[in-house]
Amino acid sequence: SQQGEEDPQALSIQEGENATMNCSYKTSINNLQWYRQNSGRGLVHLILIRSNEREKHSGRLRVTLDTSKKSSSLLITASRAADTASYFCATDRGSGNTPLVFGKGTRLSVIA
Amino acid sequence: GAVVSQHPSRVICKSGTSVKIECRSLDFQATTMFWYRQFPKQSLMLMATSNEGSKATYEQGVEKDKFLINHASLTLSTLTVTSAHPEDSSFYICSARVTGNTEAFFGQGTRLTVV
Repeated sequence: SQQGEEDPQALSIQEGENATMNCSYKTSINNLQWYRQNSGRGLVHLILIRSNEREKHSGRLRVTLDTSKKSSSLLITASRAADTASYFCATDRGSGNTPLVFGKGTRLSVIA
Repeated sequence: GAVVSQHPSRVICKSGTSVKIECRSLDFQATTMFWYRQFPKQSLMLMATSNEGSKATYEQGVEKDKFLINHASLTLSTLTVTSAHPEDSSFYICSARVTGNTEAFFGQGTRLTVV
């Protein structure tokens, strides 16, 4: 089952611009994670934000979480062509033996 | 981070045959592994939860007799697609989590094409 929606479904920007992707979910969570997937490949973990956190940074990534609205956003600053990929949010209700539930994803294209 | 190895990365098979996909945790023990399926330009859909030493738990709509899961050891889970049909063509990804670690680790995925 899928947890929720992500928007936009596809985003095309110029290199150097910022990219913002949003994710909404439906149930209570322990944490929310963002993953990146290059075409036809496995997933790479980007960042995790816990339910009691509101904002987190990692390099050019900034994630926010609003549990009252059940939504999260991922901001990639100063985008590069190499950032072109699909980005998925995934919600986690447990703490180790429960599956992640993925959103529909945003396909990001960064044009050089 | 922990490493999950999935094999094969690509497989083409004929309709009616069976295909086995392996998922191994290389540097940790995984009592639970997860199998996802992903169609082109779509998200990952959870198929089943694989439990070491017991029966897998399948998501609604996933045929357990068609997608056989075996988790015989703490480092290996296998997914067998039986009597494959062209509509089974998809990208299959396994995942495992280290107890106490909230990050999930994913295999490289298997691109299955049934002709």
